[in-house]
Amino acid sequence: DADVTQTPRNRITKTGKRIMLECSQTKGHDRMYWYRQDPGLGLRLIYYSFDVKDINKGEISDGYSVSRQAQAKFSLSLESAIPNQTALYFCATSEQGAGNQPQHFGDGTRLSIL
Amino acid sequence: GNSVTQMEGPVTLSEEAFLTINCTYTATGYPSLFWYVQYPGEGLQLLLKATKADDKGSNKGFEATYRKETTSFHLEKGSVQVSDSAVYFCAVDNYGQNFVFGPGTRLSVLP
Repeated sequence: DADVTQTPRNRITKTGKRIMLECSQTKGHDRMYWYRQDPGLGLRLIYYSFDVKDINKGEISDGYSVSRQAQAKFSLSLESAIPNQTALYFCATSEQGAGNQPQHFGDGTRLSIL
Repeated sequence: GNSVTQMEGPVTLSEEAFLTINCTYTATGYPSLFWYVQYPGEGLQLLLKATKADDKGSNKGFEATYRKETTSFHLEKGSVQVSDSAVYFCAVDNYGQNFVFGPGTRLSVLP
Protein backbone atom coordinates (compact mmCIF):
# COMPACT_ATOMS: atom_id res chain seq x y z
CA ASP A 1 0.00 0.00 0.00
CA ALA A 2 1.13 3.51 -0.76
CA ASP A 3 2.44 5.58 2.15
CA VAL A 4 0.98 8.80 0.68
CA THR A 5 -2.39 8.36 -0.99
CA GLN A 6 -4.13 10.95 -3.11
CA THR A 7 -7.75 10.83 -4.21
CA PRO A 8 -9.04 11.10 -6.84
CA ARG A 9 -6.27 10.19 -9.30
CA ASN A 10 -8.04 11.95 -12.14
CA ARG A 11 -10.83 14.53 -12.23
CA ILE A 12 -12.50 16.46 -14.99
CA THR A 13 -14.84 19.25 -14.00
CA LYS A 14 -16.32 22.54 -15.20
CA THR A 15 -15.40 26.14 -14.55
CA GLY A 16 -16.97 27.49 -11.35
CA LYS A 17 -17.30 24.15 -9.57
CA ARG A 18 -15.93 23.52 -6.09
CA ILE A 19 -13.39 20.71 -5.96
CA MET A 20 -11.63 18.96 -3.10
CA LEU A 21 -8.50 16.89 -3.46
CA GLU A 22 -7.63 14.64 -0.57
CA CYS A 23 -4.36 13.34 0.79
CA SER A 24 -3.75 10.81 3.52
CA GLN A 25 -0.51 9.35 4.82
CA THR A 26 0.57 6.42 6.92
CA LYS A 27 4.16 7.58 7.45
CA GLY A 28 3.44 9.36 10.74
CA HIS A 29 5.01 12.58 9.44
CA ASP A 30 4.02 15.93 10.93
CA ARG A 31 4.66 18.00 7.81
CA MET A 32 2.45 17.95 4.72
CA TYR A 33 2.55 19.92 1.47
CA TRP A 34 0.50 20.58 -1.66
CA TYR A 35 2.19 21.32 -4.98
CA ARG A 36 1.07 21.81 -8.53
CA GLN A 37 3.14 20.71 -11.50
CA ASP A 38 2.95 22.40 -14.87
CA PRO A 39 5.11 21.55 -17.90
CA GLY A 40 8.44 23.41 -17.81
CA LEU A 41 7.73 24.99 -14.40
CA GLY A 42 8.64 22.19 -12.07
CA LEU A 43 6.69 22.00 -8.82
CA ARG A 44 5.27 25.07 -7.18
CA LEU A 45 4.22 25.10 -3.55
CA ILE A 46 0.57 25.96 -2.86
CA TYR A 47 0.23 25.42 0.92
CA TYR A 48 2.08 23.61 3.65
CA SER A 49 1.40 22.52 7.21
CA PHE A 50 3.95 21.67 9.88
CA ASP A 51 1.39 20.24 12.30
CA VAL A 52 -2.36 20.00 12.76
CA LYS A 53 -2.76 23.61 13.94
CA ASP A 54 -0.32 25.11 11.47
CA ILE A 55 -1.21 26.27 7.93
CA ASN A 56 1.06 28.37 5.72
CA LYS A 57 0.69 29.86 2.28
CA GLY A 58 3.15 28.86 -0.38
CA GLU A 59 4.22 30.52 -3.59
CA ILE A 60 0.85 30.27 -5.39
CA SER A 61 -1.94 30.06 -2.79
CA ASP A 62 -4.46 32.39 -4.50
CA GLY A 63 -7.59 30.51 -5.54
CA TYR A 64 -6.86 27.59 -3.20
CA SER A 65 -7.59 26.70 0.42
CA VAL A 66 -6.55 23.79 2.63
CA SER A 67 -7.67 21.93 5.71
CA ARG A 68 -5.53 19.79 8.00
CA GLN A 69 -8.16 17.52 9.53
CA ALA A 70 -5.69 15.30 11.37
CA GLN A 71 -2.00 14.51 11.37
CA ALA A 72 -2.62 12.04 8.57
CA LYS A 73 -4.98 14.09 6.39
CA PHE A 74 -4.48 17.27 4.39
CA SER A 75 -7.04 18.35 1.79
CA LEU A 76 -6.83 20.98 -0.93
CA SER A 77 -9.90 22.87 -2.17
CA LEU A 78 -10.55 24.95 -5.23
CA GLU A 79 -13.57 27.06 -4.27
CA SER A 80 -14.46 28.10 -7.81
CA ALA A 81 -12.32 26.30 -10.35
CA ILE A 82 -10.93 28.08 -13.41
CA PRO A 83 -9.25 26.59 -16.50
CA ASN A 84 -5.74 27.81 -15.60
CA GLN A 85 -5.90 25.59 -12.53
CA THR A 86 -5.68 22.60 -14.85
CA ALA A 87 -2.52 20.82 -13.69
CA LEU A 88 -1.06 17.81 -11.93
CA TYR A 89 -1.34 18.17 -8.15
CA PHE A 90 0.93 16.43 -5.67
CA CYS A 91 0.75 15.94 -1.93
CA ALA A 92 3.98 15.35 -0.01
CA THR A 93 5.03 14.68 3.57
CA SER A 94 8.23 14.99 5.55
CA GLU A 95 9.52 14.49 9.06
CA GLN A 96 10.45 17.40 11.26
CA GLY A 97 14.13 18.09 11.15
CA ALA A 98 16.95 20.52 10.54
CA GLY A 99 16.33 20.77 6.80
CA ASN A 100 17.85 17.49 5.71
CA GLN A 101 14.57 15.58 5.60
CA PRO A 102 13.41 14.60 2.11
CA GLN A 103 9.82 14.87 1.02
CA HIS A 104 7.74 11.81 0.16
CA PHE A 105 5.21 12.17 -2.63
CA GLY A 106 1.88 10.68 -3.59
CA ASP A 107 1.23 9.63 -7.17
CA GLY A 108 -0.63 12.81 -8.01
CA THR A 109 -4.09 13.97 -9.06
CA ARG A 110 -4.55 15.03 -12.67
CA LEU A 111 -7.15 17.81 -12.68
CA SER A 112 -8.73 19.18 -15.84
CA ILE A 113 -11.07 22.17 -15.73
CA LEU A 114 -13.16 22.81 -18.81
CA GLY B 1 14.36 33.10 -1.24
CA ASN B 2 15.87 29.92 -2.61
CA SER B 3 16.07 29.19 -6.32
CA VAL B 4 17.30 26.34 -8.51
CA THR B 5 18.48 26.36 -12.11
CA GLN B 6 18.74 23.15 -14.11
CA MET B 7 19.94 22.48 -17.61
CA GLU B 8 17.09 22.47 -20.07
CA GLY B 9 16.06 19.25 -21.64
CA PRO B 10 15.16 17.06 -23.14
CA VAL B 11 18.39 15.09 -22.96
CA THR B 12 18.62 12.09 -25.28
CA LEU B 13 21.40 9.53 -24.85
CA SER B 14 22.23 6.07 -26.09
CA GLU B 15 22.36 3.23 -23.59
CA GLU B 16 25.69 3.06 -21.69
CA ALA B 17 26.47 6.73 -22.36
CA PHE B 18 27.71 9.07 -19.61
CA LEU B 19 25.12 11.39 -18.09
CA THR B 20 25.52 14.83 -16.56
CA ILE B 21 22.60 17.03 -15.59
CA ASN B 22 23.72 20.43 -14.30
CA CYS B 23 22.13 22.07 -11.28
CA THR B 24 23.03 25.35 -9.59
CA TYR B 25 21.26 26.92 -6.65
CA THR B 26 20.84 30.15 -4.75
CA ALA B 27 20.21 29.92 -1.03
CA THR B 28 21.25 31.53 2.22
CA GLY B 29 23.00 29.70 5.00
CA TYR B 30 23.69 25.98 4.71
CA PRO B 31 20.95 24.35 2.67
CA SER B 32 20.44 20.67 1.98
CA LEU B 33 20.41 19.55 -1.65
CA PHE B 34 18.38 16.80 -3.29
CA TRP B 35 17.82 15.03 -6.60
CA TYR B 36 14.40 13.53 -7.26
CA VAL B 37 13.27 11.32 -10.15
CA GLN B 38 9.78 11.12 -11.63
CA TYR B 39 8.79 8.14 -13.76
CA PRO B 40 5.74 8.41 -16.04
CA GLY B 41 2.46 8.46 -14.13
CA GLU B 42 4.13 8.57 -10.74
CA GLY B 43 5.06 11.06 -8.08
CA LEU B 44 8.58 12.21 -7.34
CA GLN B 45 10.95 9.81 -5.58
CA LEU B 46 14.08 10.80 -3.71
CA LEU B 47 17.14 9.71 -5.68
CA LEU B 48 19.92 11.11 -3.47
CA LYS B 49 20.75 13.95 -1.11
CA ALA B 50 23.65 15.83 0.44
CA THR B 51 23.42 17.92 3.58
CA LYS B 52 26.76 19.74 3.80
CA ALA B 53 29.55 21.03 1.62
CA ASP B 54 31.69 18.38 -0.13
CA ASP B 55 29.20 15.60 0.71
CA LYS B 56 28.59 13.14 -2.11
CA GLY B 57 25.14 11.62 -2.43
CA SER B 58 24.84 8.37 -4.37
CA ASN B 59 22.16 5.84 -5.29
CA LYS B 60 21.52 3.38 -8.14
CA GLY B 61 24.75 4.41 -9.87
CA PHE B 62 23.90 8.13 -9.75
CA GLU B 63 26.15 10.57 -7.89
CA ALA B 64 26.15 14.27 -7.05
CA THR B 65 28.62 16.31 -4.99
CA TYR B 66 27.64 19.38 -2.94
CA ARG B 67 29.94 22.16 -4.17
CA LYS B 68 29.43 25.22 -2.03
CA GLU B 69 32.12 27.25 -3.79
CA THR B 70 30.31 26.95 -7.13
CA THR B 71 26.79 26.54 -5.61
CA SER B 72 26.32 23.43 -7.73
CA PHE B 73 24.99 19.89 -7.34
CA HIS B 74 25.41 18.24 -10.73
CA LEU B 75 23.95 14.76 -11.26
CA GLU B 76 26.15 12.14 -12.97
CA LYS B 77 25.93 8.50 -13.99
CA GLY B 78 28.65 6.60 -15.76
CA SER B 79 26.48 4.30 -17.88
CA VAL B 80 22.78 5.00 -18.33
CA GLN B 81 20.14 2.38 -19.05
CA VAL B 82 16.81 2.58 -20.85
CA SER B 83 15.12 2.24 -17.44
CA ASP B 84 16.70 5.56 -16.36
CA SER B 85 14.39 7.43 -18.75
CA ALA B 86 12.47 9.85 -16.52
CA VAL B 87 12.31 13.49 -15.42
CA TYR B 88 14.96 14.57 -12.90
CA PHE B 89 14.46 17.43 -10.44
CA CYS B 90 17.09 19.22 -8.40
CA ALA B 91 15.86 20.75 -5.13
CA VAL B 92 17.20 22.87 -2.26
CA ASP B 93 15.90 23.30 1.30
CA ASN B 94 16.77 25.54 4.23
CA TYR B 95 15.95 23.98 7.59
CA GLY B 96 12.73 22.45 6.28
CA GLN B 97 11.14 25.83 5.62
CA ASN B 98 11.93 26.73 2.04
CA PHE B 99 11.87 23.65 -0.18
CA VAL B 100 12.30 24.73 -3.83
CA PHE B 101 12.42 22.51 -6.93
CA GLY B 102 14.05 23.18 -10.26
CA PRO B 103 11.98 22.95 -13.48
CA GLY B 104 13.05 19.36 -14.18
CA THR B 105 15.13 17.79 -16.95
CA ARG B 106 13.61 15.04 -19.11
CA LEU B 107 16.04 12.22 -19.94
CA SER B 108 15.38 9.72 -22.73
CA VAL B 109 17.74 6.76 -23.11
CA LEU B 110 17.60 4.88 -26.41
CA PRO B 111 18.53 1.20 -26.73
